[in-house]
Amino acid sequence: QVRLQESGPGLVKPSETLSLTCTVSGDSISSYYWSWIRQPPGKGLEWIGYIYNSGSTSYNPSLKSRVTISVDTSKNQFSLKLTSVTAADTAVYYCARDPGSEFDFWGQGYLVTVSS
Amino acid sequence: DSQMTQSPSSVSASVGDRVTITCRASQDISSWLAWYQQKPGKAPKLLIYGASILQSGVPSRFSGSGSGTDFTLTISSLQPEDFATYYCQQANIFPFTFGPGTKVDIK
Repeated sequence: QVRLQESGPGLVKPSETLSLTCTVSGDSISSYYWSWIRQPPGKGLEWIGYIYNSGSTSYNPSLKSRVTISVDTSKNQFSLKLTSVTAADTAVYYCARDPGSEFDFWGQGYLVTVSS
Repeated sequence: DSQMTQSPSSVSASVGDRVTITCRASQDISSWLAWYQQKPGKAPKLLIYGASILQSGVPSRFSGSGSGTDFTLTISSLQPEDFATYYCQQANIFPFTFGPGTKVDIK
């Protein structure tokens, strides 16, 4: 069974960098695409970007200037960095597997609050 | 971007009812459309991909149809565990985008 687990600081100060890691078990991170998706409290879903095993990435243009997604194949993990955060970046952040066009396995979600 | 809209935004229904949710894309996305179910405090769950392909383990009362810009998700006989919010998502045009959601609640 594929499992994904997000981890990282749950509280980030405005203007600082949000950093999250997704640990994958039950599958090799060298296969498929791996995405980050977020959901502000009470709102809808926003795709942030993905990484493929070679390190190829694609980002949502709305966040592209602030986002970096990287992969550590030795740990079967991929990570998200979002710089210069504001309160608008407060959300539940999900990592998910993308076999090609849909997200079939998701992490449980991780609430990150941006506040001083 | 391909903007996604859903209707209705919410629907009240009873157990056993047939429920249909519509998703519309602002551009032709062929059949690159997925549907998800989300319950409060939980991650979304994939129901359908490729507009009409049922994800493994998903009950057959869920079905999807459509192509191009207009899509539907149908629940043939609503069960108590189906009360949730449903999202469509397109994967044909970057960036991937989701619809705003349709909440199905108890009548």
